[in-house]
Amino acid sequence: RKEVEQDPGPFNVPEGATVAFNCTYSNSASQSFFWYRQDCRKEPKLLMSVYSSGNEDGRFTAQLNRASQYISLLIRDSKLSDSATYLCVVINAGNNRKLIWGLGTSLAVNP
Amino acid sequence: GAGVSQSPRYKVAKRGQDVALRCDPISGHVSLFWYQQALGQGPEFLTYFQNEAQLDKSGLPSDRFFAERPEGSVSTLKIQRTQQEDSAVYLCASSFRHDATYEQYFGPGTRLTVT
Repeated sequence: RKEVEQDPGPFNVPEGATVAFNCTYSNSASQSFFWYRQDCRKEPKLLMSVYSSGNEDGRFTAQLNRASQYISLLIRDSKLSDSATYLCVVINAGNNRKLIWGLGTSLAVNP
Repeated sequence: GAGVSQSPRYKVAKRGQDVALRCDPISGHVSLFWYQQALGQGPEFLTYFQNEAQLDKSGLPSDRFFAERPEGSVSTLKIQRTQQEDSAVYLCASSFRHDATYEQYFGPGTRLTVT
């Protein structure tokens, strides 16, 4: 079992839809959490960090549930340009130099 | 502005050849990371440098993989006697912090194909 698990999708949604991704992590000592975005054949780029209290950045909302060990990403009013792979990333307390990645969830927003 | 650059962007090697992949991090960034990303997978951590010191190489898959950053800036990932399972995109990232807890800036990657 991978340490960080995501539904690979693909998620196909129409423009304007709200879509949510979940990610589960197995190590209860995980301490930092992120969502990265990766476009096809491009490098990953940080979308947002995930804070314990939850955080929002425009149309994007990230939440953390430590008790259940999952992280979520909600995208509202989805745009064509949101089409990408969304990667869930964690850092464990024992090694703060190592990002541990999920395999990503693919999103396609259709006109 | 100048971001992380990697060269070559594409490399085709015959099985058994040695390859060297180069990473130029953002100037002044202390931390440098190498990742391997197979098709359809997320990146997998390979190794980490803090300036010129290689502080974590736990992700290197075998002793055929070797990385260096002799002057604390440019880094080279070398793969000896390449195998087909080495085919992947090799990503380099840098950060101004001494750990991975802040944003890492990624280069475009080197796509290695071993035939």
